[in-house]
Amino acid sequence: DAGVTQSPTHLIKTRGQQVTLRCSPKSGHDTVSWYQQALGQGPQFIFQYYEEEERQRGNFPDRFSGHQFPNYSSELNVNALLLGDSALYLCASSLRGQLNNEQFFGPGTRLTVL
Amino acid sequence: DAKTTQPNSMESNEEEPVHLPCNHSTISGTDYIHWYRQLPSQGPEYVIHGLTSNVNNRMASLAIAEDRKSSTLILHRATLRDAAVYYCILKGNYGGSQGNLIFGKGTKLSVKP
Repeated sequence: DAGVTQSPTHLIKTRGQQVTLRCSPKSGHDTVSWYQQALGQGPQFIFQYYEEEERQRGNFPDRFSGHQFPNYSSELNVNALLLGDSALYLCASSLRGQLNNEQFFGPGTRLTVL
Repeated sequence: DAKTTQPNSMESNEEEPVHLPCNHSTISGTDYIHWYRQLPSQGPEYVIHGLTSNVNNRMASLAIAEDRKSSTLILHRATLRDAAVYYCILKGNYGGSQGNLIFGKGTKLSVKP
């Protein structure tokens, strides 16, 4: 049973460019959350998708957008990249309604903005 | 979500027990206490969670104070593989709601051979 997978593993972009990160949830999960983790910090919640709609959003600008597909996979898009967007981007999946709401995390995508 | 306070770092010797503390004095009655850990170069992984009673699973034990204002994650025999950043997180559990996780900086646990 494959866990959460993310692609690509590493990415280098320049300021002003746009980037798309991809996530496939754990089999049987229907909810995908995205987190940004700067070096030395804990992950920060970006947003969460369920039934192809954004359900919750953290304190991130509109440059961060997402999408969820009918197969529950998800994309994170970041426009007009800034140097400060350099971070590890983590995807987590879960099953809505599960009592303990345990989230399973992928290995992340390391984004470097030059 | 309520805030938690953890020590920045702790050290342990291999095969000895480790007690990782967490203070959450503003916890509400419906907040669950979750612990996640993040091994080097990996995403966080779930460790354990509880509401009021102490909890045990194959990875660890969670001891919750009677007033719920603090908790302790217990690793019974630390191994080198347990070296990680441990996050204590308070999370509401509202029926079908999938509340997000609010991470602090966590406790970096080092395990010496």
